[in-house]
Amino acid sequence: DSGVTQTPKHLITATGQRVTLRCSPRSGDLSVYWYQQSLDQGLQFLIQYYNGEERAKGNILERFSAQQFPDLHSELNLSSLELGDSALYFCASSVQDRASYGYTFGSGTRLTVV
Amino acid sequence: TQLLEQSPQFLSIQEGENLTVYCNSSSVFSSLQWYRQEPGEGPVLLVTVVTGGEVKKLKRLTFQFGDARKDSSLHITAAQPGDTGLYLCAGAIGNDMRFGAGTRLTVKP
Repeated sequence: DSGVTQTPKHLITATGQRVTLRCSPRSGDLSVYWYQQSLDQGLQFLIQYYNGEERAKGNILERFSAQQFPDLHSELNLSSLELGDSALYFCASSVQDRASYGYTFGSGTRLTVV
Repeated sequence: TQLLEQSPQFLSIQEGENLTVYCNSSSVFSSLQWYRQEPGEGPVLLVTVVTGGEVKKLKRLTFQFGDARKDSSLHITAAQPGDTGLYLCAGAIGNDMRFGAGTRLTVKP
């Protein structure tokens, strides 16, 4: 158990639908990062939050949004889902707002869009 | 095009053999990390290297950061089936962390 909790573990939904993925960071970590992992693209950075504020944006689609709440848990919202959104979505956390010393990853949410 | 190129993409060896995997880039990183990922799980941090030329050892694993902080290698001595997994390198540039596509290692008993 890494200390980073992601729910749900698996999600199957239809095209056009909206889903919410949830992440609780490791105790004491203030930064949360979201990554998408697919077979052909590898791990792609989506977005980072630090202590409730957005810090960095990567290749996040406009159909996707995220937020970090006062208790530091984070949610990633995916809307108007397409088949190509099927992937593993990982949340990671770190103490600092900089990536220099590495992350702790959760076990991921496997999203299947049918 | 990946910012970090990892080679080889796939490696299948017998238990007891030694191996080296590489992570190369034209960019300079403030730090570089190596992760191992098993199927259905998230990547697990193995090591962080920060100083150019730095060498870190973790039991049978030896990590080296290039002098110019653009590349790194991971050497495994006497590989075991438990070493099987996807090895990812990740480089930090400021607040941005970029991952390579990984080397998928299979160690056969």
